[in-house]
Amino acid sequence: QQQVKQSPQSLIVQKGGISIINCAYENTAFDYFPWYQQFPGKGPALLIAIRPDVSEKKEGRFTISFNKSAKQFSLHIMDSQPGDSATYFCAAIQGGSEKLVFGKGTKLTVNP
Amino acid sequence: EPEVTQTPSHQVTQMGQEVILRCVPISNHLYFYWYRQILGQKVEFLVSFYNNEISEKSEIFDDQFSVERPDGSNFTLKIRSTKLEDSAMYFCASSEDRGETQYFGPGTRLLVL
Repeated sequence: QQQVKQSPQSLIVQKGGISIINCAYENTAFDYFPWYQQFPGKGPALLIAIRPDVSEKKEGRFTISFNKSAKQFSLHIMDSQPGDSATYFCAAIQGGSEKLVFGKGTKLTVNP
Repeated sequence: EPEVTQTPSHQVTQMGQEVILRCVPISNHLYFYWYRQILGQKVEFLVSFYNNEISEKSEIFDDQFSVERPDGSNFTLKIRSTKLEDSAMYFCASSEDRGETQYFGPGTRLLVL
């Protein structure tokens, strides 16, 4: 119930391509869904976040799509760049809780 | 831009020793957190802290762990008697309010030998 399932585990994309990472959850009490980007040896950095009252949020090249009925959300990275190469974590937090529940992460490699 | 800082960046200790990991959260934030990430695995919640007390903790956060805000700026995680399986990256985070964005520090890599 508390899990967030993330796929794929790793992803290789050519420069300029679209990177898509998917997450699914069971707990309908989750009400905040952030995506974090992590470079090796660094802490997770917030990339973009969404609440379930909207179906899409876009910030620059990064878009979250949210499907409440399917309990799924995804991160799209448009025009992927080598500098986007990192591990991406989806996460969720339940209303009234302070505990971020993370997915297992996706290692993205963008080839030049 | 304000950021969460952590010290030390690396800590090597012997099994059974006590370690204290230190964090300075973002100054106007009220909620503080510790997470850990075992190498190659996902980030796991340990504990949250608000108004000078633990507000939520996970099953990982047993009696070997404690947290403290000894002054107006620092937030610490103490592991009383370290085990080999405590080897991990420990991240401190802070947020303005419950349910709001949590900002993570760069982490302390703890190695227990």
